[in-house]
Amino acid sequence: AQKVTQAQTEISVVEKEDVTLDCVYETRDTTYYLFWYKQPPSGELVFLIRRNSFDEQNEISGRYSWNFQKSTSSFNFTITASQVVDSAVYFCALSEGLDSGTYKYIFGTGTRLKVLA
Amino acid sequence: KAGVTQTPRYLIKTRGQQVTLSCSPISGHRSVSWYQQTPGQGLQFLFEYFSETQRNKGNFPGRFSGRQFSNSRSEMNVSTLELGDSALYLCASSLRDRAYEQYFGPGTRLTVT
Repeated sequence: AQKVTQAQTEISVVEKEDVTLDCVYETRDTTYYLFWYKQPPSGELVFLIRRNSFDEQNEISGRYSWNFQKSTSSFNFTITASQVVDSAVYFCALSEGLDSGTYKYIFGTGTRLKVLA
Repeated sequence: KAGVTQTPRYLIKTRGQQVTLSCSPISGHRSVSWYQQTPGQGLQFLFEYFSETQRNKGNFPGRFSGRQFSNSRSEMNVSTLELGDSALYLCASSLRDRAYEQYFGPGTRLTVT
């Protein structure tokens, strides 16, 4: 079973539109971390945010915001007023197994976002 | 601070050959992880090293191996290359372990012909 599901394979929006990228995860651990990474066309993954399982506070960073809901096992990412430079593949990731020491870092399959001018 | 560096950036090898890829983590980072990225399989975890010890390994055949040196630099080796090994190999470093964010290098694009 897929532990990190990004159901949206590709999304296209017009510049200045808002867009939400979905991430649903699955874990039995009580302590875990969730991440979002961006992979622009240049290829290098860039860390965006880390959230631990005990902190459900939403976070906003400029045009980016993240909504973490344990009740639905989701960690969604919203870009407000999208720009062409936001075009990239976005990956959601889960780090689990921290309690047992058998760390696993699992990436979703990614969502390709295309922002059209 | 310098980022994660990987060498070489591009490689073309022939089936049956072996290859060694190198990764230098961010200064102070002790954890290095390797991933294989392909269009079909996405990002797949290969292995992780921390203080010269392999802490975890993904589901890859024994042809894939790695090591970490005392200065935290890491190498991965693939022996008896197959066409299916063609991929982008990404190295990521982390401060301590994978509860922390990972910082990725630009990758090595390996093509096996």
